[in-house]
Amino acid sequence: SQQGEEDPQALSIQEGENATMNCSYKTSINNLQWYRQNSGRGLVHLILIRSNEREKHSGRLRVTLDTSKKSSSLLITASRAADTASYFCAAQGEGAQKLVFGQGTRLTINP
Amino acid sequence: GAVVSQHPSRVICKSGTSVKIECRSLDFQATTMFWYRQFPKQSLMLMATSNEGSKATYEQGVEKDKFLINHASLTLSTLTVTSAHPEDSSFYICSANRGGAGETQYFGPGTRLLVL
Repeated sequence: SQQGEEDPQALSIQEGENATMNCSYKTSINNLQWYRQNSGRGLVHLILIRSNEREKHSGRLRVTLDTSKKSSSLLITASRAADTASYFCAAQGEGAQKLVFGQGTRLTINP
Repeated sequence: GAVVSQHPSRVICKSGTSVKIECRSLDFQATTMFWYRQFPKQSLMLMATSNEGSKATYEQGVEKDKFLINHASLTLSTLTVTSAHPEDSSFYICSANRGGAGETQYFGPGTRLLVL
């Protein structure tokens, strides 16, 4: 399978804590993207990090990329109940438009 | 951000019938759109890449005669599930590239198909 892997598959934390999700991919990439999906809904684009970048921030989100290990992490700081959702990484290969999604992490933030 | 719509949002049909799902880019032109399928509690699996004015490119294991894709304009791609069966019940999501390779994809809200 070309699909990437994410861990953990499920994560449950208390509101206010930080949540970290990891993603590994298999091929050389142009960029790696993170998406959020609320239950039964479409995907919301969170952040894109290019292969020549190592870290990127957007609000409470911090994404890192290690191309030597073919891995990325998403950190959500000061989590809120509204952050409860599934989070997916998606790798876009060099010269390609299609995305290969990871298996996703189901994040639950407990009030 | 760019907007992609899908219609219908939900459809229930009898086994053996065909169902058409539309994907539209509302405020930009998309030469390439993508169709994904997502089963409950699973990730998105790419089914095919839809190219405006040419044949779609299907991923391995996806039957092109069962999942017909038409991309007749720069803002519309359609997916037709022909002779649907209960195992085709799934969440179908489309996306569109605003630019070329290396750019963000914008996703539609998805279509939930239930085949009885």
